[in-house]
Amino acid sequence: QVQLVESGGGVVQPGGSLRLSCAASGFSFSDYGMHWVRQAPGKGLEWVAFIRYDGANQYYPDSVKGRFTISRDNSKNTLYLQMSNLRAEDWAVYYCAKGSISWLPHPESWGLGTLVTVSS
Amino acid sequence: QSVLTQPPSVSGAPGQRVTISCTGSGSNIGADYDVQWFQQLPRTAPKLLIYGGSNRPSGVPDRFSGSKSGTSASLAITGLQAEDEADYHCQCYDSSLNAWVFGGGTKLTVL
Repeated sequence: QVQLVESGGGVVQPGGSLRLSCAASGFSFSDYGMHWVRQAPGKGLEWVAFIRYDGANQYYPDSVKGRFTISRDNSKNTLYLQMSNLRAEDWAVYYCAKGSISWLPHPESWGLGTLVTVSS
Repeated sequence: QSVLTQPPSVSGAPGQRVTISCTGSGSNIGADYDVQWFQQLPRTAPKLLIYGGSNRPSGVPDRFSGSKSGTSASLAITGLQAEDEADYHCQCYDSSLNAWVFGGGTKLTVL
């Protein structure tokens, strides 16, 4: 069965950087696009990044474009999110999610999330 | 302000039927992009409930159903049970933003 385990969250000061990881198992990781989605405390879900199965293309919303970088290592079945110039509004639980098999893959299976706290 | 609009809360008694709306626009739901619904139980990760507007993944009870009309989508839950108490989120793709977008989420309370 699909298992996604995020790690790397923690407390960081505004302007700081952090790298999240997501270890995948239970499916053929290299065949699927992957998402990062976040949820600020008491708020709804916000899509953060998507990467195609081969890593050739990455997509971001304007809120994180230029500050966040999604990448993957298919040899290690691992997804990453490099976050820089962090702001208070980036404080959230970050989930990685396996994309569906479709031309616009939606988030399908989700990890348990990792908390990123941005505070001085 | 979310691109997709959901009511903040809905409630119903056990056994009743409730619906949750998700209102979008011509660049997302109205453009015929698939709508997904996710259930998020308290203090847990979201779980896919409905995909492609009306399809249920295996294991999801048929008490849950999805539909779409124009620029809006709806999630219906029949035979409400206490275990259905959760947050429900709709999701779609938006071609104007080139982004996967979510609604603000709806908290379902079982009375």
